[in-house]
Amino acid sequence: GQSLEQPSEVTAVEGAIVQINCTYQTSGFYGLSWYQQHDGGAPTFLSYNALDGLEETGRFSSFLSRSDSYGYLLLQELQMKDSASYFCAVINAGNMLTFGGGTRLMVKP
Amino acid sequence: NAGVTQTPKFQVLKTGQSMTLQCAQDMNHEYMSWYRQDPGMGLRLIHYSVGAGITDQGEVPNGYNVSRSTTEDFPLRLLSAAPSQTSVYFCASGEGAGTEAFFGQGTRLTVV
Repeated sequence: GQSLEQPSEVTAVEGAIVQINCTYQTSGFYGLSWYQQHDGGAPTFLSYNALDGLEETGRFSSFLSRSDSYGYLLLQELQMKDSASYFCAVINAGNMLTFGGGTRLMVKP
Repeated sequence: NAGVTQTPKFQVLKTGQSMTLQCAQDMNHEYMSWYRQDPGMGLRLIHYSVGAGITDQGEVPNGYNVSRSTTEDFPLRLLSAAPSQTSVYFCASGEGAGTEAFFGQGTRLTVV
């Protein structure tokens, strides 16, 4: 089977940096993705890591360590609009995209 | 460019009724999938397809059927609705599981 673990809630202040961790167990791991979902909305893609290391896209960065079965999403210069749920998702050899339970990020002024 | 279109947006069913949730994409994506999301939880994979004529089961397939006769369409059928199937259903498409998945706006289904 597959399992992903991420914190259920994180709170940070505007302008700060926050890291959301994700640990996973899966067979035939291909890569790790991150998605953002605002309340009442659909998930939207943020990043994808297939190889170890850091991928940077604007204020967001994502990191993967395949040997540790671990990744994280780093959000810098937090803005109020970043308040949302963030999901890590693993892709396995069977072409399945499986999501974690999500981390609810609350950004306070 | 419409992207991924789901219909209906809202639906109320009685226990035992059947219905089909529609999903269409106009991006020529080979990979399509259906998820359900219960309140405060993540998305659970119901069924997915890597191309026309090919479907496979996800984590929670029981009570649902799918077919993929064309690249564009991937309908989800509830065979006999149960209150446990009350959820928000999302359809997604992409060029492959490891690429960006584009989600529809969801169908909010209530089974009474």
